[in-house]
Amino acid sequence: QVQLQESGPGLVKPSGTLSLTCAVSGGSITSNNWWSWVRQPPGKGLEWIGQIYHNGGANYNPSLKSRVTVSVDKSKNQFSLRLSSVTAADTAVYYCARVGHWNFDFWGQGTLVTVSS
Amino acid sequence: DLQMTQSPSSLSASVGDRVSITCRASQSIRSYVNWYQQKPGKAPKLLIYAASSLQSGVPSRFSGSGSGTDFTLTISSLQPEDFATYYCQQSYSTPWTFGQGTKVEIK
Repeated sequence: QVQLQESGPGLVKPSGTLSLTCAVSGGSITSNNWWSWVRQPPGKGLEWIGQIYHNGGANYNPSLKSRVTVSVDKSKNQFSLRLSSVTAADTAVYYCARVGHWNFDFWGQGTLVTVSS
Repeated sequence: DLQMTQSPSSLSASVGDRVSITCRASQSIRSYVNWYQQKPGKAPKLLIYAASSLQSGVPSRFSGSGSGTDFTLTISSLQPEDFATYYCQQSYSTPWTFGQGTKVEIK
């Protein structure tokens, strides 16, 4: 059973950079899957941020593309998210998820990131 | 971006009721729709993929139907543990997008 676990600071200052890591266990990040980030502002719906394949290929939501980087570390079986120039609008629960057959079949528990000075 | 519009945004129902939630895509997405259940403070859980396929371990009272632009999630007999928010999601083209959610509450 694949398990994912997000980690990173829970508080980021405005104009700073949000950095999160997702550790994958029970499976290999080099499997034939993409690995995604999804976020959910408090009390609101879900927004896909971007995804990466183990060869480094990535694609992003155009609404965030200029500020987002997703990367993979095969040696640690994990992938990461960086979101720059954050504002209060980036306050959300951030989830990492595995992309199965065109669906998000395994999810991390989520981590709340608050943007505030 | 492909827009996914869910209806209703919320509903009240009783245990044992049959409940249906609909999702309309802004263009044809064939059968590239998934449905998720989310409970407060928890990550979404995949229920249905490819419009009508039941994810392993999900009770058979959940079913999905539709193709093209119109899709439906049905719960045949609502159970206490089914009170949650449900989201549709299109996987036809990136950016993957979700419906706004339907909250199922106890009547």
